[in-house]
Amino acid sequence: GNSVTQMEGPVTLSEEAFLTINCTYTATGYPSLFWYVQYPGEGLQLLLKATKADDKGSNKGFEATYRKETTSFHLEKGSVQVSDSAVYFCALSDGGGSNYKLTFGKGTLLTVNP
Amino acid sequence: DADVTQTPRNRITKTGKRIMLECSQTKGHDRMYWYRQDPGLGLRLIYYSFDVKDINKGEISDGYSVSRQAQAKFSLSLESAIPNQTALYFCATSGQGAYEQYFGPGTRLTVT
Repeated sequence: GNSVTQMEGPVTLSEEAFLTINCTYTATGYPSLFWYVQYPGEGLQLLLKATKADDKGSNKGFEATYRKETTSFHLEKGSVQVSDSAVYFCALSDGGGSNYKLTFGKGTLLTVNP
Repeated sequence: DADVTQTPRNRITKTGKRIMLECSQTKGHDRMYWYRQDPGLGLRLIYYSFDVKDINKGEISDGYSVSRQAQAKFSLSLESAIPNQTALYFCATSGQGAYEQYFGPGTRLTVT
């Protein structure tokens, strides 16, 4: 079956530091890949996505590249801000047939200190 | 106004009680989902519905039931709540042919 593994947290950084959150996946077929973000007290929001190999998703300074050869979709940001403090979830959807269910990783808590 | 709303936002109930969590959406999406979130476990799918007449079990459906009253409404019921159902519950929607899902703000349920 499908699975997503992302780096264990929590991750604590100082403002303006570089961020990487690793994500690898196992899936049949050709999945679409996502990063969702959950700010404190809120539901999940789609941060970025990539639907095929070598695609780069980007939003709000965050980027992730769909690497089929390494089955990875690592999240990066060059300079984090305090407002980026949140839980980040990597997810995939294989979309096989009429199946558009998401499989999530366990989440990584990011805290950015001023 | 929020596109996906959930009621109640917080609920404390006792073991053995029946409880219903409600979800409404104004996005016009056909597909709706219920997840639970537990610390360290991420989100796990309870039930999903691709239209009003199509309801499917997810990976952890035991102890839960759902009702799709209309395209815009999808309710989750705990027939007899137990303490290990204490969790944060999210409703989500997606459009036909689209992979990304849109989440409600969540319901924090505590079973004592």
